[in-house]
Amino acid sequence: KNEVEQSPQNLTAQEGEFITINCSYSVGISALHWLQQHPGGGIVSLFMLSSGKKKHGRLIATINIQEKHSSLHITASHPRDSAVYICAVCAYGNKLVFGAGTILRVKS
Amino acid sequence: NAGVMQNPRHLVRRRGQEARLRCSPMKGHSHVYWYRQLPEEGLKFMVYLQKENIIDESGMPKERFSAEFPKEGPSILRIQQVVRGDSAAYFCASSSWAATHIGANVLTFGAGSRLTVL
Repeated sequence: KNEVEQSPQNLTAQEGEFITINCSYSVGISALHWLQQHPGGGIVSLFMLSSGKKKHGRLIATINIQEKHSSLHITASHPRDSAVYICAVCAYGNKLVFGAGTILRVKS
Repeated sequence: NAGVMQNPRHLVRRRGQEARLRCSPMKGHSHVYWYRQLPEEGLKFMVYLQKENIIDESGMPKERFSAEFPKEGPSILRIQQVVRGDSAAYFCASSSWAATHIGANVLTFGAGSRLTVL
């Protein structure tokens, strides 16, 4: 079993829909990151969380440390949100352990 | 502020050649991390360096791979005698000393270097 599990693996949504991507982890962590990767492109750090909730524009990230679970929400989704969303946890010191990613496609 | 600069963006090598990938961290960042993304796979940690020191290389293959972050100049990931299985995207990220030590671990990623081994 991977230390970081994401669901779903693939997600197709219609423009305007509310989207949720989930991340569960099995190790003790100091922080959790949500990353965005566009096809052929680099990686952008969206959020770093150690507790609670953060919001940036249409993106919201939450984390429940007791349940070892985090969610990334996208409100009013848009085709430009289409990307791979990756959950990564900071465990074992400063080393990141990554989930396999969720491929999101938003159709217009 | 140019962010994390990686070069080359694309590198093609024949089996047995050497590949050198460079990473210039963000201004003010003294911590560098290298990650590898194999085709159709997720990202994997390779190595964590500070200036002139390797802090954690537990993700590095034991042979042919090495990394350095000299006092002056970029961090370099070196792959000797490349094989087809080394074909991947190699990402570098950097953070500041302060962020790392308060557990903030705010990372800035480079655009990646895509290595193709023929």
